[in-house]
Amino acid sequence: DTAVSQTPKYLVTQMGNDKSIKCEQNLGHDTMYWYKQDSKKFLKIMFSYNNKELIINETVPNRFSPKSPDKAHLNLHINSLELGDSAVYFCASSHGPASGKSDTQYFGPGTRLTVL
Amino acid sequence: QQQVKQSPQSLIVQKGGISIINCAYENTAFDYFPWYQQFPGKGPALLIAIRPDVSEKKEGRFTISFNKSAKQFSLHIMDSQPGDSATYFCAASMLGFGNEKLTFGTGTRLTIIP
Repeated sequence: DTAVSQTPKYLVTQMGNDKSIKCEQNLGHDTMYWYKQDSKKFLKIMFSYNNKELIINETVPNRFSPKSPDKAHLNLHINSLELGDSAVYFCASSHGPASGKSDTQYFGPGTRLTVL
Repeated sequence: QQQVKQSPQSLIVQKGGISIINCAYENTAFDYFPWYQQFPGKGPALLIAIRPDVSEKKEGRFTISFNKSAKQFSLHIMDSQPGDSATYFCAASMLGFGNEKLTFGTGTRLTIIP
């Protein structure tokens, strides 16, 4: 009964390739997020979606395109991968502020992306 | 710019001792301050959180102290155990539609030695 799941867990690819990371939550949350954790473990928000609508885009290069087919899924597609994209990417979800419920963000296990 | 500053970067504490991690923030609009715990190879998990209307919150061995005027908050782990060895992140956010993203501190690697 995984709450927030991500696939794949590891992704190794060549520079210039296009890749996708999938995220699913079974918590009934309305809001989903993508965070990037760099080699120094610094965590930074990339995107946030609420009910399939983009609400936060933190000046991420447009090579990164999130897609939310429904409110339980938020996928991350990355075009023309660069060496600097190597990091661990975390998906998270929460009820969202409009729900009046807990503000806790629940994180997935992460996807370690290595660009060679 | 780094909106949430965290210290120390690493901390070694003897088993049974008190671990203290400090954070300072700049944006006075922040109104939610969680602490996350991350084990190697895992995602961050919420440990404890506080709102600025209280100065302290305690859950078991974990306590957040909050000083609104100084714009500082800290995590205290009492009776620290080897199982507490992990990386700890403070964070801050503004609870309001469109502003609920977490701004994280830089993390503290805590090691509890027997």
